[in-house]
Amino acid sequence: NAGVTQTPKFQVLKTGQSMTLQCAQDMNHEYMSWYRQDPGMGLRLIHYSVGAGITDQGEVPNGYNVSRSTTEDFPLRLLSAAPSQTSVYFCASSRPGTSNNEQFFGPGTRLTVL
Amino acid sequence: AQTVTQSQPEMSVQEAETVTLSCTYDTSESDYYLFWYKQPPSRQMILVIRQEAYKQQNATENRFSVNFQKAAKSFSLKISDSQLGDAAMYFCAASRGGATNKLIFGTGTLLAVQP
Repeated sequence: NAGVTQTPKFQVLKTGQSMTLQCAQDMNHEYMSWYRQDPGMGLRLIHYSVGAGITDQGEVPNGYNVSRSTTEDFPLRLLSAAPSQTSVYFCASSRPGTSNNEQFFGPGTRLTVL
Repeated sequence: AQTVTQSQPEMSVQEAETVTLSCTYDTSESDYYLFWYKQPPSRQMILVIRQEAYKQQNATENRFSVNFQKAAKSFSLKISDSQLGDAAMYFCAASRGGATNKLIFGTGTLLAVQP
């Protein structure tokens, strides 16, 4: 199992550019989510999905879109990047209802918006 | 809404000594889980230990143990026999049970291990 994979690992964008951060998991997990990590603020939830075709907003959703067409993939789209979106982004997946409720994290994407 | 608070931005411990990282949380849920994650410089998030709220017994994983005080809403992490490889950022997190598995994180504690 590859677990949770994210691409790219690093990305530099100019203000106003768009891009998609990719996330995939091969564990057949229903639940997937995106977090951003900023200095001194821990990880904050952007969007999440409880299954294919179902998404919802987290704590900091503005400026981001998501979709979930398959169980395996959960891409995060930035339609018009802003410097405030400079951050490290983590994708995570889990199978809720199991005994431990553990979430598995990808390696992260460091995004810089100039 | 759940909140998680880590009041120690930085901690330091001597190699082979014991250190305790503090965490408090607030939740109105009756079914919830608590976690400690380790983030080394590689930035990979690594689960250290978990605690189900309905279990009274404190969780342990080798050198890592927790002191779960449900009434006080406290969830501290004790690292025994500290090793150089324990140096990392540690995050306390909480999630409720059920299909919506949202994690709420604290702001983290940066642990340094002195040789």
